[in-house]
Amino acid sequence: AQSVTQLGSHVSVSEGALVLLRCNYSSSVPPYLFWYVQYPNQGLQLLLKYTSAATLVKGINGFEAEFKKSETSFHLTKPSAHMSDAAEYFCAVSEGGSGGGADGLTFGKGTHLIIQP
Amino acid sequence: DGGITQSPKYLFRKEGQNVTLSCEQNLNHDAMYWYRQDPGQGLRLIYYSQIVNDFQKGDIAEGYSVSREKKESFPLTVTSAQKNPTAFYLCASSRANYGYTFGSGTRLTVV
Repeated sequence: AQSVTQLGSHVSVSEGALVLLRCNYSSSVPPYLFWYVQYPNQGLQLLLKYTSAATLVKGINGFEAEFKKSETSFHLTKPSAHMSDAAEYFCAVSEGGSGGGADGLTFGKGTHLIIQP
Repeated sequence: DGGITQSPKYLFRKEGQNVTLSCEQNLNHDAMYWYRQDPGQGLRLIYYSQIVNDFQKGDIAEGYSVSREKKESFPLTVTSAQKNPTAFYLCASSRANYGYTFGSGTRLTVV
């Protein structure tokens, strides 16, 4: 069975500082990994995804994540935080592929990112 | 533009009532999913469907029912058996190698 652990339900950084959101996963097969962002009362927007190609994945809005198999991690980073980055972030894993997977996505509990001026 | 439409955006239910949440997609995606979101709990899978006229229970299916009579539609009924239905409900669809697309959600409140 697959699972996702996001360390830190709340992360606070200053505007302009490095953003680091942690995600560890467990999977019985090579996983597909995703990061999503959610703004209040809205759906999920895909930031980036890992599909067994390059281990360093670049996404939208300046975010990137690195897949580390030895650490079973897929941490999300952004060099310089902006006020508009304040939102809820979810890491997710799929064992069924990047889409159309049999069982859908398994999500972490989310990390609320707070940006301090 | 293609996408997923969830309606209504806000829904209020009285105790003992069944309510149905709508989810429609025009992306020609084969698979569709319903997730429930509670604060601090992430998203939990309720039901999913890979093809028309077939669906599977997810992790928290008790008190919910679905149908998949058309490829484009995957409505979710919250029955009176669901004891704590107040939550944010998200519908998603997917197709192999095309990733997942999410709707904008329905917030259900019991009054």
